[in-house]
Amino acid sequence: AQSVTQLGSHVSVSEGALVLLRCNYSSSVPPYLFWYVQYPNQGLQLLLKYTSAATLVKGINGFEAEFKKSETSFHLTKPSAHMSDAAEYFCAVSVNQAGTALIFGKGTTLSVSS
Amino acid sequence: EPEVTQTPSHQVTQMGQEVILRCVPISNHLYFYWYRQILGQKVEFLVSFYNNEISEKSEIFDDQFSVERPDGSNFTLKIRSTKLEDSAMYFCASKIVQGGNTEAFFGQGTRLTVV
Repeated sequence: AQSVTQLGSHVSVSEGALVLLRCNYSSSVPPYLFWYVQYPNQGLQLLLKYTSAATLVKGINGFEAEFKKSETSFHLTKPSAHMSDAAEYFCAVSVNQAGTALIFGKGTTLSVSS
Repeated sequence: EPEVTQTPSHQVTQMGQEVILRCVPISNHLYFYWYRQILGQKVEFLVSFYNNEISEKSEIFDDQFSVERPDGSNFTLKIRSTKLEDSAMYFCASKIVQGGNTEAFFGQGTRLTVV
């Protein structure tokens, strides 16, 4: 079975500061990992995904994440936060099996202050 | 850009009533999903649907729930007799192929409030 733990339900940063959102996973088989973002009153939008190619994955809006198997982590980072980054961020895990579904973490709300 | 659309955006229903949540997946996608998110909790998988039948379902998806693809475009989730604990945001998603490395595209969600 797979699971995802997002450490910190709420992260606050200042505009221009580093963003670090933490995600740890558990999977008995090689995982695929995803970060989704949800802006207010909108659906979940894919930021980036890890599918066993490069361990450092670059996504949209300047975000990136690094897959670290030894730490079972897939933390999301952005060097410099913008006000527009304020949203809820979800880490999710999947595996390459028929009918597989995404397993989500509880989400982290990112607040950005000026 | 193609998108998954869900209607209504917000539905209020009385306990015990039937409710149908509607989704229009992206037109060339083949795999369809429902997820829900109870306020303050994680997004939970409910059911996946392929080739006009359920391919996987979670423990949450009990006999009170059903899904249907009544025509070539809509994908619906029915809750037969709603309970207070069914209050949640319900997300529909679709994928073009089945592989676990393929992203799912999500709708904006329907907020269901059971009173």
